[in-house]
Amino acid sequence: QITLKESGPTLVKPTQTLTLTCTFSGFSLNTGGVGVGWIRQPPGKALEWLALIYWNDDKRYSPSLKSRLTITKDTSKNQVVLTMTNMDPVDTATYYCAHRLNWYGPFDYWGQGTLVTVSS
Amino acid sequence: QSALTQPASVSGSPGQSITMSCTGSTSDVGGYNYVSWFQHHPGKAPKLMIYEVRNRPSGVPDRFSGSKSGNTASLTISGLQAEDEADYYCSSYTSSSTLEVFGTGTKLTVL
Repeated sequence: QITLKESGPTLVKPTQTLTLTCTFSGFSLNTGGVGVGWIRQPPGKALEWLALIYWNDDKRYSPSLKSRLTITKDTSKNQVVLTMTNMDPVDTATYYCAHRLNWYGPFDYWGQGTLVTVSS
Repeated sequence: QSALTQPASVSGSPGQSITMSCTGSTSDVGGYNYVSWFQHHPGKAPKLMIYEVRNRPSGVPDRFSGSKSGNTASLTISGLQAEDEADYYCSSYTSSSTLEVFGTGTKLTVL
């Protein structure tokens, strides 16, 4: 059974760096083809894909946020970490991590999400 | 990379069928059979309903079906039920470096 859970701060101040951790079970990021992605949803808005990391450490980022994002994996801990620098109130959103079945998708299992509020 | 275009809202009465669209380009929807559909109830994790255009994961009712024509994918829900009321998002593999693009989302209202 595949499960994912996001963790991190619920409140960050503008200009700070956000660090979110996705802890998963039921699969290994050492398995060929497998990936983990991060997706967010600002209140009342659509899902927005942020970043993706594959078993072979291939990393992809949203072009509009690429300069602010870093995604890494720790296969020994079954974790994927997303950092986002220079946080702004517009980054207030629920952040999800999701398991990617293979190179072409889909995101078939999702975490429950964690709400991050950016406010001073 | 632009988001895939979905209608903002669709509605239907219980028992009826509805279809919602997802329009992209030859770089994503039209170029690959890797279109997915997600059901999202507020406060819950998105749920995969359709993958690879028309395949249903185990446990998804056969009332949900997917199709594609050209650059437009469609999700059809037949025999609408109150529990189907949710936001629906499409996504597609894309040849761009991002590999994935989401749709703008459609709010389904069951009248």
